[in-house]
Amino acid sequence: DAGITQSPRYKITETGRQVTLMCHQTWSHSYMFWYRQDLGHGLRLIYYSAAADITDKGEVPDGYVVSRSKTENFPLTLESATRSQTSVYFCASSESRLGDNQETQYFGPGTRLLVL
Amino acid sequence: AQKVTQAQTEISVVEKEDVTLDCVYETRDTTYYLFWYKQPPSGELVFLIRRNSFDEQNEISGRYSWNFQKSTSSFNFTITASQVVDSAVYFCALRGTGRRALTFGSGTRLQVQP
Repeated sequence: DAGITQSPRYKITETGRQVTLMCHQTWSHSYMFWYRQDLGHGLRLIYYSAAADITDKGEVPDGYVVSRSKTENFPLTLESATRSQTSVYFCASSESRLGDNQETQYFGPGTRLLVL
Repeated sequence: AQKVTQAQTEISVVEKEDVTLDCVYETRDTTYYLFWYKQPPSGELVFLIRRNSFDEQNEISGRYSWNFQKSTSSFNFTITASQVVDSAVYFCALRGTGRRALTFGSGTRLQVQP
């Protein structure tokens, strides 16, 4: 099925380990986003990307690295995981049409990450 | 800066009751977009509606309706004749002009009891 997928769906890791969360979309959307969801905070933006090789920081980027070598993929790496990075991570994508600022973001199913 | 406030942390109703979820937003942008998303117990985020700031018409979709009032910076969501399947966390979100990312409220958990 076309859409936006995330892997893994669940991950347990230990403090200090590197973890990469994958996001793949089949819509050829220009924009992709990473959010984290924590109780009481809703969703907060970590990083986003406007196109391949163009990325920018969001509200809570510290401790995370992103890359976008291909339009359809937007991996998120925790270089040295900390317990405070235990969260649910959502990837999203949206189309960008010239002169149209009305695009809607569609979300992946989420990845639940536990850092011990 | 943009901000979305969902003051109701949790609401519990009995099936068939009507329920309104409140959303108040702050933005300095003159053009902006408001969204509602539903997060059922399974965890995914489901898009419900997008409203542009220049269109203040209320919208109805089946049992769902949305009341957008620029004068009070509110975009409230009403479910008529609630059902158990409506149990979920509902998020209101805002996107300003020239911005691509969404600013989310903290969500309202709705429990519909049979």
